[in-house]
Amino acid sequence: SSDLTQDPPVSVALGQTVRITCQGDSLRDYYATWYQQKPGQAPVLVIYGKNNRPSGIPDRFSGSSSGNTASLTITGAQAEDEADYYCSSRDSSGKRLVFGGGTNLIVL
Amino acid sequence: EVQLVQSGAEVKKPGESLKISCKGSGYKFTSYWIGWVRQMPGKGLEWMGVIYPGDSDTRYSPSFQGQVTISADKSISTAYLQWSSLKASDTAMYYCARPETASSSVMDVWGEGTTVTVSS
Repeated sequence: SSDLTQDPPVSVALGQTVRITCQGDSLRDYYATWYQQKPGQAPVLVIYGKNNRPSGIPDRFSGSSSGNTASLTITGAQAEDEADYYCSSRDSSGKRLVFGGGTNLIVL
Repeated sequence: EVQLVQSGAEVKKPGESLKISCKGSGYKFTSYWIGWVRQMPGKGLEWMGVIYPGDSDTRYSPSFQGQVTISADKSISTAYLQWSSLKASDTAMYYCARPETASSSVMDVWGEGTTVTVSS
């Protein structure tokens, strides 16, 4: 079992907004990092820190956090956003990293 | 350009040993942690452990402690993940990754992955 819990599969209509959540006690102390993974590809960093996007990541991706829950929001989802999304953070000791179980996003 | 280049796909039999590699380039290899991630077929990402090549400080996730060995050769900017006796359950894709800063846990550079298949 994972220290971080993510939503089951989520679907969103093209152009609509979707929020994917990640829950865990360690998120009270550490920010979540979000990765996107498409089939057959390595994960790609999409959001980190309070709400930071690496260069090349569209600004429709944003992150937020409250208490033990971190969220990834895609505002105006596009077909190319269909992927698995994983949150990651440090564990409660701060010395090791953990992933959530992943959320499969389907864009309809 | 910062890159992590992983070794090629492997097909092994149960009980065999294996060492896969991840070569860093375009940055000071000894100043950044390298992490290893497992992804079993159709499953999610799992952190296996990390190594700091500068001093070989290594931290394993509890599930992988004693199951694999993570090492690094800073002279050739290469990190390794090895098994002494493979099991069918080690069949997976393995990724290496590097954080965006030396002390960060945010992995912004990933290798392409190494597929390991263990089958009799």
